[in-house]
Amino acid sequence: QLQESGPGLVKPSGTLSLTCAVSGVSVSNNNYYWGWLRQPPGKGLEWIGSIYYTGSTYYNPSLKSRVTISISTSKNQFSLKLSSVTAADTAVYYCARHIIRNNHENTWLDPWGQGTLVSVSS
Amino acid sequence: QSVLTQPPSVSAAPGQKVTISCSGTSSNIGNNFVSWYQQLPGTAPKLLIYDNNKRPSGIPDRFSGSKSGTSATLGITGLQTGDEADYYCGTWDSNLSVVFGGGTKLTVL
Repeated sequence: QLQESGPGLVKPSGTLSLTCAVSGVSVSNNNYYWGWLRQPPGKGLEWIGSIYYTGSTYYNPSLKSRVTISISTSKNQFSLKLSSVTAADTAVYYCARHIIRNNHENTWLDPWGQGTLVSVSS
Repeated sequence: QSVLTQPPSVSAAPGQKVTISCSGTSSNIGNNFVSWYQQLPGTAPKLLIYDNNKRPSGIPDRFSGSKSGTSATLGITGLQTGDEADYYCGTWDSNLSVVFGGGTKLTVL
């Protein structure tokens, strides 16, 4: 089970910070990556990035300059920081377990957290 | 503008069958496996299909997936009103990222 938490309101130019608490499985499990995704109101899904327990990361090229994903094996959680936010970053943010196999040929996300709405506004 | 292309909407009557297409390129679908997700209104996405055509435990066999070349298809038979949802396809892209289709809204008339 995954549960997102963090501020629901962030000011423009500020940094969005979210944490995903994982239960029932260790984030140190070497079979899984852990990912962040988002969905602007009324729009489709966008992958932000994923992290392995070693700290190895993949980021969406369009967000890479503003994104940092980190992981805490002691707390069994992983986190997202998105800097220099604008109104375009307003979205429901989801965390999910990310399965990657065979040099990325096989990849899927399951399960997903319930999501948390983050609004960017002054 | 999504990397993968899906029809914005499809519809069919209860009990009927519907298919949802997902078109990509050799940089994504053509060389990787496809997954499908169901998003019921007001809820988080849920995995329906992975590895093109495999169903996670608990997903009924009314849902099926296939892939040919740079396109994939989700099929749903015996439509129920509870199947009304947004459906998304996803896969890995050669620019080292997960990409999705824009989503297809299924209406069960």
